Amino acid sequence: GAGVSQSPRYKVAKRGQDVALRCDPISGHVSLFWYQQALGQGPEFLTYFQNEAQLDKSGLPSDRFFAERPEGSVSTLKIQRTQQEDSAVYLCASSKGGSLNQPQHFGDGTRLSIL
Amino acid sequence: AQRVTQPEKLLSVFKGAPVELKCNYSYSGSPELFWYVQYSRQRLQLLLRHISRESIKGFTADLNKGETSFHLKKPFAQEEDSAMYYCALTRGGADGLTFGKGTHLIIQP
Repeated sequence: GAGVSQSPRYKVAKRGQDVALRCDPISGHVSLFWYQQALGQGPEFLTYFQNEAQLDKSGLPSDRFFAERPEGSVSTLKIQRTQQEDSAVYLCASSKGGSLNQPQHFGDGTRLSIL
Repeated sequence: AQRVTQPEKLLSVFKGAPVELKCNYSYSGSPELFWYVQYSRQRLQLLLRHISRESIKGFTADLNKGETSFHLKKPFAQEEDSAMYYCALTRGGADGLTFGKGTHLIIQP
């Protein structure tokens, strides 16, 4: 595809349910990032993959959040036992990676609402 | 830890007037600075980065290490510049972005 693709675009879940958000990065992009954007705020870093390796997960807010990228392409962000404070837009970004800092390309995001 | 501050939540200027969106950062090392823009109903996209030293859509931004600032400027605003603007930094290499809270720019006709 031409850009980063995220699905679903919208997700509504009841408090306590588990959710899974998917990200398809730009083909060939080595680096993949997840961000959380609360209403009226800038995106906040959650985690970063280089190929299938999760190199930084310092931004994950709790152990209820888990991300994986098993084959170094598609990534899934899973949130277990969702809470109302998890309501936000979840953004995925990818970049070519490598030793030079490459710009990150963002998807449209998944808007998660926890009732 | 690094931090990015955008002091203006909302900035409204008339078409043809100069625009300056302020961005200050705190980081002890040598960061890389970016401006991202999000137009209505579109995804977040890169506007410019300091290492490129280029002008995109008439916008420029100069990194001032002494004042730890990376303000975004345009001499003559156009209506299509209305959007959310986010300043962001990385510590270098392949690293997560630290964003400011954003400035909503409105260009009045």
